[in-house]
Formats: sequence, C-alpha cells, structure tokens
Amino acid sequence: GAGVSQSPSNKVTEKGKDVELRCDPISGHTALYWYRQRLGQGLEFLIYFQGNSAPDKSGLPSDRFSAERTGESVSTLTIQRTQQEDSAVYLCASSWTSGIIAEQFFGPGTRLTVL
Amino acid sequence: KNEVEQSPQNLTAQEGEFITINCSYSVGISALHWLQQHPGGGIVSLFMLSSGKKKHGRLIATINIQEKHSSLHITASHPRDSAVYICAVRPGGSQGNLIFGKGTKLSVKP
Repeated sequence: GAGVSQSPSNKVTEKGKDVELRCDPISGHTALYWYRQRLGQGLEFLIYFQGNSAPDKSGLPSDRFSAERTGESVSTLTIQRTQQEDSAVYLCASSWTSGIIAEQFFGPGTRLTVL
Repeated sequence: KNEVEQSPQNLTAQEGEFITINCSYSVGISALHWLQQHPGGGIVSLFMLSSGKKKHGRLIATINIQEKHSSLHITASHPRDSAVYICAVRPGGSQGNLIFGKGTKLSVKP
C-alpha cells in the first residue's frame, strides 16, 4: 500500500508569512509524529499524536508552531510568522501503534526555506 | 552533552569491508532505533530493538542495555550502503518521541 506522503515537497516563503505543511499517514496507523531536521543537524522531535489522546507537544520550539490531526488521518503542521531559523526539512512519520514495538515509517519530508 | 552520541561522525570504507557504527546514550530507554537516510533525504527504519541482537541481510544490530550502548554492523559493505546512519532512542516512559543522534555518514568506495 501507499507509504506516508507529505506536501508540498518544497516550500519557499518570505519571513513573516504563515505556512502549512501536510502529512498523510499510512492508513490504519494510529500514531503520527512530526520531526524537524535543520541543515547539518540531527532530527528533532516536534509533536506526537496517538489516536484521540491529547497530543504530546513537548518538542514544539515556540508558540508559532502548532499542529492538528483529524481523527487518525491527515495532519497539518502550521508555522506562523516564519523566521529564517525555521528553514529545515520537516518530516512526518506514522506507526500502527505507539507501543515500544512499533516501527515508524517516514515520509519524504517537506523542505522549507524562509527567505 | 548530547543524550545520544554516535561514532564515528564520518566513515569511509572500501567495498567489502566490515563496518561498525556505535551509539551511546545517557537516558533510560524503552527502545532503540537504527535509521538509514539516503542522499535524497528519505529515511528508512532498519531496526528497532530493546535487547539482544537483530540481523537483517548484511546488517546486524546489537544493544547492551546495562552499558547503554548499541552497535550497527554492516558485513561485506557495498557502495549502495553509502548513507547516513542514525541512532535514535525512545526514552522510557515517553509517549513515543525519539531522541536522535547526529548520524554517521558512511561512504563505501568501489
């Protein structure tokens, strides 16, 4: 079946603008994760959704970042008033459960460039 | 100090060589992942383990929970193994987030 998909694949925006990044997880996967990878840096956890539970937002770097998920399907990561330091590849992953045995499947990422 | 440290940062090998990448972590964990990131950016999960050893083809991953250390081995390395290998740990008690190492960039020359 289809893997995790993300859109857009590339986004160039001007400083101060808002952006929305979309993630379509694998059908049936209840857990969904957002990560960020800045140039030359390791991956950073941003936010995690598991079913209808309250999301774990502990990785969001500022209140300009927010994410929503509709049921167990699509998720949108929104960055308001973008800054140049927000430039990064934003990766989404999903797994069929949040249990410790659950393998995460990664999407191709959205490359965000803030000018 | 990072909670997850990988070594080496960069590794160049000749085709056919046996390769070892190391990962040390400082937090209690419930699981450890090894991921592969190709030059195009795509990430693939190679292993997820909480104890012992796992093998898949030419790849072997081991973990020593007491020593807080894991190794990824590649036997008979091939140029197509060239990628960044990332160690990530799931802290014990966490809801699911991972803490990532900075990765090891492997280049296998023909």
